[in-house]
Amino acid sequence: QVTLKESGPVLVKPTETLTLTCTVSGFSLSNARMGVSWIRQPPGKALEWLAHIFSNDEKSYSTSLKSRLTISKDTSKSQVVLTMTNMDPVDTATYYCARISVAVAGIDYWGQGTLVTVSS
Amino acid sequence: QTVVTQEPSLTVSPGGTVTLTCASSTGAVTSGYYPNWFQQKPGQAPRALIYSTSNKHSWTPARFSGSLLGGKAALTLSGVQPEDEAEYYCLLYYGGAQWGVFGGGTKLTVL
Repeated sequence: QVTLKESGPVLVKPTETLTLTCTVSGFSLSNARMGVSWIRQPPGKALEWLAHIFSNDEKSYSTSLKSRLTISKDTSKSQVVLTMTNMDPVDTATYYCARISVAVAGIDYWGQGTLVTVSS
Repeated sequence: QTVVTQEPSLTVSPGGTVTLTCASSTGAVTSGYYPNWFQQKPGQAPRALIYSTSNKHSWTPARFSGSLLGGKAALTLSGVQPEDEAEYYCLLYYGGAQWGVFGGGTKLTVL
């Protein structure tokens, strides 16, 4: 059974750095045909793709947020970590991690999401 | 900045058929964009429905189908059920620097 679970702070202050962890099970981050994406959704708004990482450590970032994002993985812990610097209230959103499957050329499984509020 | 456009809202009667579309600011959507479709109900995480234009996941109801239509990706619901009322998002893959871009979503009302 494939599962993904996001964890991290529920509240961060403006200018702080956000660190989110996605812990996966049911598949391995060393699987050449799998990757993990981070996606966010501000309250009442659309989904926004942020970043992804594959088993070979190939990474890609949203062009509009690239300077603030870093994605990494710890295969032994089955975890993918996203850091976002210089947080602002507009970054308040539910942050999701999701599995990318090369076999389906897309995202097949999603985590439940974690709401992060940016406020002083 | 690449923009993916969907109808903001659509309304369909139970048992009816409705088509949602997904357009790219870069031009015609082709199979090379590997269109994905997702359903999201209030308070829930998105759920994958369609991948690579027209392929269904094992859990996708048969009434959902994907295609390319007039230069856009399309999601058609046939025999709509009340439980299909939800927000629907498409995702297109551009590769390169901006790997994936979501559409703005279509709120589907079943009335």
